[in-house]
Formats: sequence, structure tokens, C-alpha cells
Amino acid sequence: AQTVTQSQPEMSVQEAETVTLSCTYDTSESDYYLFWYKQPPSRQMILVIRQEAYKQQNATENRFSVNFQKAAKSFSLKISDSQLGDAAMYFCAYRGSPSGGGADGLTFGKGTHLIIQP
Amino acid sequence: NAGVTQTPKFQVLKTGQSMTLQCAQDMNHNSMYWYRQDPGMGLRLIYYSASEGTTDKGEVPNGYNVSRLNKREFSLRLESAAPSQTSVYFCASRRQGAPGELFFGEGSRLTVL
Repeated sequence: AQTVTQSQPEMSVQEAETVTLSCTYDTSESDYYLFWYKQPPSRQMILVIRQEAYKQQNATENRFSVNFQKAAKSFSLKISDSQLGDAAMYFCAYRGSPSGGGADGLTFGKGTHLIIQP
Repeated sequence: NAGVTQTPKFQVLKTGQSMTLQCAQDMNHNSMYWYRQDPGMGLRLIYYSASEGTTDKGEVPNGYNVSRLNKREFSLRLESAAPSQTSVYFCASRRQGAPGELFFGEGSRLTVL
């Protein structure tokens, strides 16, 4: 079974600074998808960014970017120019290839609580 | 746009009582999911439905049943609630061709005494 590990229960960063959240995963598949989801205090989960394993180029969405290291099974999220609205729980998630069988749905890490210091 | 709507948002039950969490999506998505979120555990998949008329177990299905009533609605039922089922429950949906890109509801906080 796949596992997703987020080793930082909590991170703190000054407003306007850059912060990197770590995620590692374990899988025997070669084709899969990785995601970062944000959960603000309102509780509703929101997709931040996704990465297909077959793509070598790291995904970027405005101030959010990832560092995907397939061989190391590492998938970190970098938030540039941190804003107060970025304060939330961030979850790393894994999805195997749809053609690979197995259950649908995502496997989530336990989350990192990001605090933005004004 | 309503997106994914869950009801109720809060519920308190006594051990042994039954209840149903309702979920509806208005995005014409084929796949729907139920997750539970516990402190320090992340989200864990309870059941999912790849299409109308089909349901499958996820990681933690024991103590739950589901019904995919139609394409819009996917309900989660606790037949005999236990304190271990105290959690926040999230419903989500996904459009065809977008693996892992889930749209979530706002969650339902359930307390079993």
C-alpha cells in the first residue's frame, strides 16, 4: 500500500518570506499523481497544485511550486511571498494510475500546519 | 455555484443511534467519495462511487454503508454509531479524466457520545 509522510507537523514563516513544506511517499508504481491540498480554518479542502509523475518539469501555480524528485520519492511545496491567507493545514496526497487497478481516491499525509507571522 | 453540499454540518449522537450524512454535487461529476478526518490522521477514504449504481470500499469501511442514489447524491449511513466514529466527514466529487482532483464539501462534524 502506498504511504505519504509529512514530517513537519507545523511550520512558521514571516509574511512575504518563502517556505517549503516537505512530503515523501512510498510506492512501487511508476505512473501516479501527486497533489497538495490546502485546508483553511473554514475546513473546506482546496486543491493547490498537482504533478504527474511522468512529467519531469515541476508544476507551478502562481506563488506555489513543487520540487518533484521521483527517484527520491520526494514532493515538496514551495510557497513564495507568503501571505496571511496562506495560513492553513497543507496535505500532500498520492493517487496511483487509474489504469493500474486498486482503489480510487487519494492517500493523504497527516498534514502540516502552516502559520504566517505578520 | 454550490459545488458539493453536505448535510448536516454538525450532529451529536448517542452510542447505538443511526444516522445518514447526505451529500449532493451539482457539477455532473461521475465519481464521489466519503472521507473521514481525525486529528493527526489526515483524511482516510471510507467508500467511493465511480459512477451511479456502483460503490466500493476504501481504507476504513467498517461500520458504514453508502448509497449512490443518483448521479448527484451519495449518502453515508452509520447504522449503530460508536464513539470511534466521532470525526469530521468530508464528501468529495471528481470529474472524469481528472485523477485526484477532488472538489470537497465543507465537512460534517459528528460526535458520538
